[in-house]
Amino acid sequence: QSALTQPASVSGSPGQSITISCTGTSSDVGGYNYVSWYQQHPGQAPKLMIYDVSNRPSGVSNRFSGSKSGNTASLTISGLQAEDEADYYCSSYTRSSTWVFGGGTKLTVL
Amino acid sequence: EVQLVESGGGLVQPGGSLRLSCAASGFTFSSYSMNWVRQAPGKGLEWVSYISSSSTIVYYADSVKGRFTISRDNAKNSLYLQMNSLRAEDTAVYYCARESSGYYVDYWGQGTLVTVSS
Repeated sequence: QSALTQPASVSGSPGQSITISCTGTSSDVGGYNYVSWYQQHPGQAPKLMIYDVSNRPSGVSNRFSGSKSGNTASLTISGLQAEDEADYYCSSYTRSSTWVFGGGTKLTVL
Repeated sequence: EVQLVESGGGLVQPGGSLRLSCAASGFTFSSYSMNWVRQAPGKGLEWVSYISSSSTIVYYADSVKGRFTISRDNAKNSLYLQMNSLRAEDTAVYYCARESSGYYVDYWGQGTLVTVSS
């Protein structure tokens, strides 16, 4: 199972919006509405930010939103804040009943 | 409060074995499927293994199939990963992760570091 494709890095200034893409295949991202996104600060465990493509868990800011088109899912963060600086990973359920993660995207808040 | 606490990591020589444990609390452990996910130093997340709530279904990543065995003891609220024939590329932080009632991981432990080196 190949990893999902994410950009290695993105950046934005405080208050701006950024979007992180996550590209897979019809066997994972494109085949199911089971894409999730995780935020990971250095030295910490990942934290769930989005599940089932576009749903936010309780307690996650509404500045975080998710979407999907075909084999590509996206995470958008609006109104960037300094604390958003972290690594972000997408994940998808697959046709093999397993999970696959993206390679991760480092978000820098300028 | 959901808590997942991993233990059992450490330094092991190539070809050696190690058994990881994950102690769960704050939820009905027997009702949830569980996963192990690892992260090599400076690298991304890699799904390793899955086990259903009653242990009837298990899955493994191709990279560990035949070498690692996932198991659980619902009476002890514990998840395990038996790792044999360890290789340098198995060096990583190993996370215990709860799968929600849907198709995503909703809680992660803090991880335990496994280092495979001579």
